[in-house]
Amino acid sequence: EPEVTQTPSHQVTQMGQEVILRCVPISNHLYFYWYRQILGQKVEFLVSFYNNEISEKSEIFDDQFSVERPDGSNFTLKIRSTKLEDSAMYFCASKPTGSGELFFGEGSRLTVL
Amino acid sequence: GENVEQHPSTLSVQEGDSAVIKCTYSDSASNYFPWYKQELGKRPQLIIDIRSNVGEKKDQRIAVTLNKTAKHFSLHITETQPEDSAVYFCAPINFGNEKLTFGTGTRLTIIP
Repeated sequence: EPEVTQTPSHQVTQMGQEVILRCVPISNHLYFYWYRQILGQKVEFLVSFYNNEISEKSEIFDDQFSVERPDGSNFTLKIRSTKLEDSAMYFCASKPTGSGELFFGEGSRLTVL
Repeated sequence: GENVEQHPSTLSVQEGDSAVIKCTYSDSASNYFPWYKQELGKRPQLIIDIRSNVGEKKDQRIAVTLNKTAKHFSLHITETQPEDSAVYFCAPINFGNEKLTFGTGTRLTIIP
């Protein structure tokens, strides 16, 4: 069964460093999402992406964040200058057209020191 | 934006008993109502969903009921088992804007 894959599974970085989290959505899905989950808290929407552009973003998704689809398969989340409060699990998800079901990757745990 | 709340935030149930979790939402245009289960350290996964033209849907031990007028929908788990222990999230969606807002989550613990 096709799955959303994410890399790295865990990244440790120093405050102020740039981080890129990578995702490969399911191949025939057209909608892509990034969510984050701070330990023990709810899953928070960051951004949705469709047709090579951002369709929705939350207040969390400020100028420090950007997303890109650099080729036909990857979908990346970049955090330009990480802060301690960016430490969280970041989930990528994709969704097929005409369905509301999100398919999540296993997540990338980001630890900012 | 959409305001989505779940009650209760934590729930402990004796194995074999039933559990009910309620989700209230604010966007009256929401038309798809899923429930996700997240086991410890794992990704959220869809367990059941319902569309706005249906009032109830069952799948073995789990069911979802929808009250569109009151803007809430509920997850029902019967004959609970230890493997039902997890955090459950609702995520109502308005297909018009594709933004899925997750509820606040309910931690369900099944006591053997």
